[in-house]
Amino acid sequence: TAGITQAPTSQILAAGRSMTLRCTQDMRHNAMYWYRQDLGLGLRLIHYSNTAGTTGKGEVPDGYSVSRANTDDFPLTLASAVPSQTSVYFCASSAHWQHEQFFGPGTRLTVL
Amino acid sequence: QKEVEQDPGPLSVPEGAIVSLNCTYSNSAFQYFMWYRQYSRKGPELLMYTYSSGNKEDGRFTAQVDKSSKYISLFIRDSQPSDSATYLCAILIPPGEAQKLVFGQGTRLTINP
Repeated sequence: TAGITQAPTSQILAAGRSMTLRCTQDMRHNAMYWYRQDLGLGLRLIHYSNTAGTTGKGEVPDGYSVSRANTDDFPLTLASAVPSQTSVYFCASSAHWQHEQFFGPGTRLTVL
Repeated sequence: QKEVEQDPGPLSVPEGAIVSLNCTYSNSAFQYFMWYRQYSRKGPELLMYTYSSGNKEDGRFTAQVDKSSKYISLFIRDSQPSDSATYLCAILIPPGEAQKLVFGQGTRLTINP
């Protein structure tokens, strides 16, 4: 099984442009998460979703939006990118009976 | 105060050495403690997790929680070059509407042959 896939692998984006980072899981996990990872700051939760149709804000939600139309997909949208959103973005998922979160390979985003 | 603090290193040790990685946390209500390992340009993977206090051993790895001092540790015995990675401690926020993890900054570890 593929587990979690993310696309694109990397992207350079002009400031002010919008972009959607894609995340798909094939494990039928009910919960999904988006994190950003920055040097010296570790992983920080942006948004999460307990189950299809619901979403919640994490530690650093400003400038990002998410949707959860079905179990498998959890896209992250930057409506108007700013240079401070330059980061590595990880999608993760977990089953409700497990504490382990499974992470995707990440998307490296550079906003210029 | 951050909920989880971790010395970012970097830490460089010779092959075969015992490695000690540490984190402190702020809230005594936390019960689930995890260690993730992240290889370069990869996503984190769960290495071990412990519930409440005490030790948990898995091969060359031992996770230890000291709730009285709010201190968690990961020990690696007989370290190997393949152990070179970034190690992240994480704490599961008390069960609620989602399994929220709060991560430390991560410690970059290099094992030199």
